[in-house]
Amino acid sequence: NAGVTQTPKFQVLKTGQSMTLQCAQDMNHEYMSWYRQDPGMGLRLIHYSVGAGITDQGEVPNGYNVSRSTTEDFPLRLLSAAPSQTSVYFCASSYSGQANSPLHFGNGTRLTVT
Amino acid sequence: KQEVTQIPAALSVPEGENLVLNCSFTDSAIYNLQWFRQDPGKGLTSLLLIQSSQREQTSGRLNASLDKSSGRSTLYIAASQPGDSATYLCAFDRGSTLGRLYFGRGTQLTVWP
Repeated sequence: NAGVTQTPKFQVLKTGQSMTLQCAQDMNHEYMSWYRQDPGMGLRLIHYSVGAGITDQGEVPNGYNVSRSTTEDFPLRLLSAAPSQTSVYFCASSYSGQANSPLHFGNGTRLTVT
Repeated sequence: KQEVTQIPAALSVPEGENLVLNCSFTDSAIYNLQWFRQDPGKGLTSLLLIQSSQREQTSGRLNASLDKSSGRSTLYIAASQPGDSATYLCAFDRGSTLGRLYFGRGTQLTVWP
């Protein structure tokens, strides 16, 4: 089982460039989310989706866009990359998004913005 | 602002020791609490989920407890092994916020043979 798949694994961008981080899951999960992990800080929620066509902001949404056109995919778009967006990005999914539904994480995308 | 503190930040022990990792939180509205494991270059794997009505969960050599009144959770690892080396993170949710978890910074554990 593939679970949650993130691509690319590594990416280097220049300030001002845009890109899309891909996330796909094959578990038919309704809930998907994006977190970023920075050194010395806990993971922080960027955006989340409770189903196709529905998205909402998390704790740190500025500079990022998301869409959910299918149940399987939840891409994260950086509109104009900034050095402050250098981080490791994790996509996660769960069956319902309810608190007692365990989250499944991808292996992350390590992004560096110069 | 929710705050989750994990102590110690790093721990290095010989194989076979019993370990206790600590997680404390300031938010009184905690609902469920989870412990995750993160291996280098990998995502997080859920280890134990203590639901709102529970006080502890066990899985193999792992036992996690939750005391909401004192704002603390502990992860107990029995008979540690080198394969347990990883970063352990705790996270809680507030129940009403769909899927949103508030994470600690983690405890980096090294178990040497």
